[in-house]
Amino acid sequence: QVQLVQSGSELKRPGASVKVSCEASGYTFTHYGMNWVRQAPGQGLEWMGWINTNTGNPTYAQDFTGRFVFSLDTSVSTAYLQISSLQAEDTAVYYCARLLTVTTAYYYMDVWGKGTTVTVSS
Amino acid sequence: QSVLTQPPSASGTPGQRVTISCSRSSSNIGNNYIYWYQHLPGTAPELLIYGNNQRPSGVPDRFSGSKSGTSASLAISGLRSEDEADYYCAVWDDSLSGWVFGGGTKLTVL
Repeated sequence: QVQLVQSGSELKRPGASVKVSCEASGYTFTHYGMNWVRQAPGQGLEWMGWINTNTGNPTYAQDFTGRFVFSLDTSVSTAYLQISSLQAEDTAVYYCARLLTVTTAYYYMDVWGKGTTVTVSS
Repeated sequence: QSVLTQPPSASGTPGQRVTISCSRSSSNIGNNYIYWYQHLPGTAPELLIYGNNQRPSGVPDRFSGSKSGTSASLAISGLRSEDEADYYCAVWDDSLSGWVFGGGTKLTVL
């Protein structure tokens, strides 16, 4: 079955970096894009952007430019989210979500990972 | 402020029918499809409704979606204790070129 397995929780100091992984199985990795979504404590879901797993081209939402980087290792069907210069406000659960494309104008997030908790604290 | 507005909470008793609304405040999403996700803390969000009113395979027909004008609704009939979760609507915003989620509705089964 289709699965997205994310890496475990992380505790980081302010100013450090973190790399979250999302390993896909049960489908051809490069046939579906990958989104990243953040949920801060007590808050709702916030779309961070997505990466085209066929071309490697990332697209970042307005609030997630600069310190956030999406990358891939297609040899192991894995997408990564790296956050640098971590701040307390980056404390959140980060989800990866597959992008199902029905047509070029009809696409949506259909399968999600269970999330990775990143805690930034001194 | 999200372009999608949901009530922060909703409740019902077992067997009851409840509806959760999702109102659009921007014309930038036009006629784009609405999606609904169920999220239990600590688990992967689950797609409940796509394309306004379509259910993925495996989602019980107790869940239904509708859209009219600038509003959409998720209806849950035959409410069960396991339906207690957070529910989010989502839409593609053309002006932002990105996905926007509603603020989420916490459903309590009394």
